[in-house]
Amino acid sequence: QVQLVQSGAEVKKPGASVKVSCKASGYTFTNYDLNWVRQATGQGLEWMGWMNPISGNTGYAQKFQGRVTMTRNTAISTAYMELSSLRSEDTAVYYCARRDCSGGSCYLGVDYWGQGTLVTVSS
Amino acid sequence: QSVLTQPPSASGTPGQRVTISCSGSSSNIGSNHVYWYKQFPGMAPKLLMYRNTQRPSGVPDRFSGSKSGTSASLAISGLRSEDEADYYCAVWDDSLSGVVFGGGTKLTVL
Repeated sequence: QVQLVQSGAEVKKPGASVKVSCKASGYTFTNYDLNWVRQATGQGLEWMGWMNPISGNTGYAQKFQGRVTMTRNTAISTAYMELSSLRSEDTAVYYCARRDCSGGSCYLGVDYWGQGTLVTVSS
Repeated sequence: QSVLTQPPSASGTPGQRVTISCSGSSSNIGSNHVYWYKQFPGMAPKLLMYRNTQRPSGVPDRFSGSKSGTSASLAISGLRSEDEADYYCAVWDDSLSGVVFGGGTKLTVL
């Protein structure tokens, strides 16, 4: 079965960087783009960007341009999301989510989600 | 302020039918597939409806999705206590070149 398992909770100081991992299993990692979505406590979902595991091509939401970097290690079927210059407003649960693909076609939505990684930014 | 507009709350009694709306524009709902997610407190979102009207395996047929123009809806019939959760719509926005979410609807089963 498809699983996306994320790294554990992090506590960071303002100005620092955080790198969250997302290990995929149960499917061919390179066949599906991965997206990252975050959710502040009590708030809605916010899309951050996507990454193609084969090419490494990425697309970031304008809000995070210059601060976010999405990478991957195909040998271990793991994607990474690094967010820099952290501020208190970045305190949130960060999710990776797999792109919806079926029958050789891919669609502009996500199906499976990781369990989430809580990132707390506090001095 | 979300790009997609959902009612912040909805409610119904067991057995009732409830509809949650999601309003967008020509650059998102009007031209791309809508997805719906269900989320329990403290848990990751889970896919509930994909490509406007398709139910993943395991989602009961009490749930149905529809889309017309720049709006979409999620209908839940035969409401049950386990339907109490937050529901989000999502769609790709061509103008923003990214996924946009609705603000979420908290469904309460009275």
